[in-house]
Amino acid sequence: DGGITQSPKYLFRKEGQNVTLSCEQNLNHDAMYWYRQDPGQGLRLIYYSQIVNDFQKGDIAEGYSVSREKKESFPLTVTSAQKNPTAFYLCASSIGSGGRNTEAFFGQGTRLTVV
Amino acid sequence: AQKITQTQPGMFVQEKEAVTLDCTYDTSDQSYGLFWYKQPSSGEMIFLIYQGSYDEQNATEGRYSLNFQKARKSANLVISASQLGDSAMYFCAMSLYGGSQGNLIFGKGTKLSVKP
Repeated sequence: DGGITQSPKYLFRKEGQNVTLSCEQNLNHDAMYWYRQDPGQGLRLIYYSQIVNDFQKGDIAEGYSVSREKKESFPLTVTSAQKNPTAFYLCASSIGSGGRNTEAFFGQGTRLTVV
Repeated sequence: AQKITQTQPGMFVQEKEAVTLDCTYDTSDQSYGLFWYKQPSSGEMIFLIYQGSYDEQNATEGRYSLNFQKARKSANLVISASQLGDSAMYFCAMSLYGGSQGNLIFGKGTKLSVKP
């Protein structure tokens, strides 16, 4: 079945550590996104990529980094520079950008907790 | 700047009744798309319905319909015949046609609780 797979589902990080969240899609979508969700805040865009080897910062990119070496994969690294990384992280993909093409398909999410 | 506003943090509805979830948007662009997503307690985001800014008719998908009023910049979601499984968070989102970003901008959501 086609879809988006995020792993792990739960992740615990010690302060000062970098952690990487995995996101893989087999939908043959060009665009991929990372969103962060905090309680009562809705979804906020961290990074997005519309094509392999290219990505742009979203509204809250500070303390995060991404790569897009393959069409199927868009990993997110939460660095030690991110002051408050505890949140629910959602990865998504879409056919392309703009209008109906932006209908995003989401993974199950990764819940990151700093301990 | 583009913005989505959902003014109802929480809503209650009796099972089998209809409910309207409000969404207003702000953009100076003429070409855009509006989306509604459902997020159950498990966390995944489920696409419900889409409305393009040039679509003349309101979108419908089964029990979901979108009440699109372009002049008022509103895109309310109507759920008919509510079911217990409809209890979830609902998010309104917008994207721009042909924009360099192409990502979805989300509102803060409305928590819907269906009472038996």
